Amino acid sequence: QVHLQQWGAGLLKPSETLSLTCAGYGASFTGYYWSWIRQSPGKGLEWIGEINQSGDTKYNPSLKSRVTISMDTSKNQMSLKLTSVTAADTAIYYCASGWLQLDQSYYYYMDIWAKGSTVTVSS
Amino acid sequence: SSELTQDPAVSVALGQTVRITCQGDSLRGYYATWYQQKPGQAPVLVIFGNNNRPSGIPNRFSGSNSGNTASLTITGAQAEDEADYYCSSRDTIDNTVPFGGGTKLTVL
Repeated sequence: QVHLQQWGAGLLKPSETLSLTCAGYGASFTGYYWSWIRQSPGKGLEWIGEINQSGDTKYNPSLKSRVTISMDTSKNQMSLKLTSVTAADTAIYYCASGWLQLDQSYYYYMDIWAKGSTVTVSS
Repeated sequence: SSELTQDPAVSVALGQTVRITCQGDSLRGYYATWYQQKPGQAPVLVIFGNNNRPSGIPNRFSGSNSGNTASLTITGAQAEDEADYYCSSRDTIDNTVPFGGGTKLTVL
């Protein structure tokens, strides 16, 4: 069964670095895009950024200065680092894998989601 | 980066049809993608591309796109369809991925 599993520290102090890892199982994920999305308490979804299997990254402009996403294709693993966290970074963080279609019609979707990790930033 | 706008809340009587809309410039270049999220759960893909449903999504869910507006239609809404629905797409200029603010669907 294809699924994603993620892990990382759930409680951070302000100014620390958030670090999460996501691993894919049950498929090759060839050609897939890997993304991080977060959801602050009671709020909507916010895309953090993505990486493809060529290692090309895209980031949300509002977070770009603090975010690094990396990939280990040999392990089907993606990592997220978010530096200098504050209480505003408290959220559920999801990793997801998806597909970018650019032939005849253009669409992008994320069809496999991990269960999410709760990250709390508090002094 | 671009923005997508959704109505915050919509309600529908059980068994009736409801349409959830999404507006934004990025929809002129990319089809909308729709996700369903129930409390305490990760989002689930329900519609992508030109009205495509992943395996396991009931055919009462359908999508349409016109200009800068996309719609998710649920024909014959069921109690289990009560959830938050998010639209998304992709920005044709900077390739970022916007999400709409979400629409809370209540099934009466």
